[in-house]
Amino acid sequence: EPEVTQTPSHQVTQMGQEVILRCVPISNHLYFYWYRQILGQKVEFLVSFYNNEISEKSEIFDDQFSVERPDGSNFTLKIRSTKLEDSAMYFCASRDDREVQGYTFGSGTRLTVV
Amino acid sequence: EDQVTQSPEALRLQEGESSSLNCSYTVSGLRGLFWYRQDPGKGPEFLFTLYSAGEEKEKERLKATLTKKESFLHITAPKPEDSATYLCAGNNYGQNFVFGPGTRLSVLP
Repeated sequence: EPEVTQTPSHQVTQMGQEVILRCVPISNHLYFYWYRQILGQKVEFLVSFYNNEISEKSEIFDDQFSVERPDGSNFTLKIRSTKLEDSAMYFCASRDDREVQGYTFGSGTRLTVV
Repeated sequence: EDQVTQSPEALRLQEGESSSLNCSYTVSGLRGLFWYRQDPGKGPEFLFTLYSAGEEKEKERLKATLTKKESFLHITAPKPEDSATYLCAGNNYGQNFVFGPGTRLSVLP
């Protein structure tokens, strides 16, 4: 069964450093998403991406964050100048152009900012 | 503001003891009400989508139902492998998910 692959599975970074979280969506999917889940809290929407541009973003997704699809397969989330409160699980998701039931989530990257 | 709440927060059942999880939602332009299963350290895994009041979906020991303001996930004769966090999510006009906090289900042998 096709999967959304995320790397690394766990990243530890110093406060103030930049991190890049990587995702390989399912190959024929056209819509890409990032969500995050702070430990013990809800899964929260960050950003959606379609046709090489951001289609929607939440209040969380401020200037500290950026997304990119640098080639035909990868989808990245960059966090500049990380803060302690950025520590969370970050989930990538993708779907095809059918209805939203085609959503598939990756297993996540656990980001720990120290 | 779009909101999804779930109850109970945690539920412990004996194997074979049936129960229901509740999801209440206020999501403008709701396109679908989703149920996901999440195991520790993993991403949400799709279970069901419900689109209109009165709709029901079933999969093995799980059945999801939808009213205009609530959805229920019924678990019949659960097994220990059903232990997980069950997430309810409304998919809104922006085609993004508004997740509830989840119900942590533990099924004891």
